[in-house]
Amino acid sequence: EAQVTQNPRYLITVTGKKLTVTCSQNMNHEYMSWYRQDPGLGLRQIYYSMNVEVTDKGDVPEGYKVSRKEKRNFPLILESPSPNQTSLYFCASSLLHSGKGVDYEQYFGPGTRLTVT
Amino acid sequence: GQQVMQIPQYQHVQEGEDFTTYCNSSTTLSNIQWYKQRPGGHPVFLIQLVKSGEVKKQKRLTFQFGEAKKNSSLHITATQTTDVGTYFCADGKTSYDKVIFGPGTSLSVIP
Repeated sequence: EAQVTQNPRYLITVTGKKLTVTCSQNMNHEYMSWYRQDPGLGLRQIYYSMNVEVTDKGDVPEGYKVSRKEKRNFPLILESPSPNQTSLYFCASSLLHSGKGVDYEQYFGPGTRLTVT
Repeated sequence: GQQVMQIPQYQHVQEGEDFTTYCNSSTTLSNIQWYKQRPGGHPVFLIQLVKSGEVKKQKRLTFQFGEAKKNSSLHITATQTTDVGTYFCADGKTSYDKVIFGPGTSLSVIP
């Protein structure tokens, strides 16, 4: 079954304690992305990757790190979490765009609800 | 930077009434995508519009892309309780490799 998996699904942690949220996809997609979702703000892109070893900042990258060592995995790292990073996080993957103005749909993981106290 | 806006933010309708959400971009779009997120769920792709003035239908849902490719709309005819959720539009990554989502319209349907 084609899917994007995230772990953990729920996490409560304390300020400053490093954490990693894992993301894996089994569709051989080149493009992977992390979003955070906050009430009234929709989905905001944190980081994205267009292929292995290629990552770039989205709109809200401060306080986050990512890596893309393998095509299927795209972990999100919070080295020193703060309460303003309390949010719902989604990982997504898709094929790269066709280069002719046509994009491809993103497949989202189930989400990780993070609380930083 | 580029902004994608949606109105309204919330909409409550009686079951059977119609519903429309509007999406506007500050820049011209290569394409527009629509996603639906059920309460407690994750966003799920609905459709992509690419051509100026394009209209696509999925059962009771009608999607339009503006002539100038700067706006789009989603219209639901005769809403049902299964339509409950948040509808997002997004500027796909053909424009800047980033993906920009609108803030979403949350639809409630009163039985």
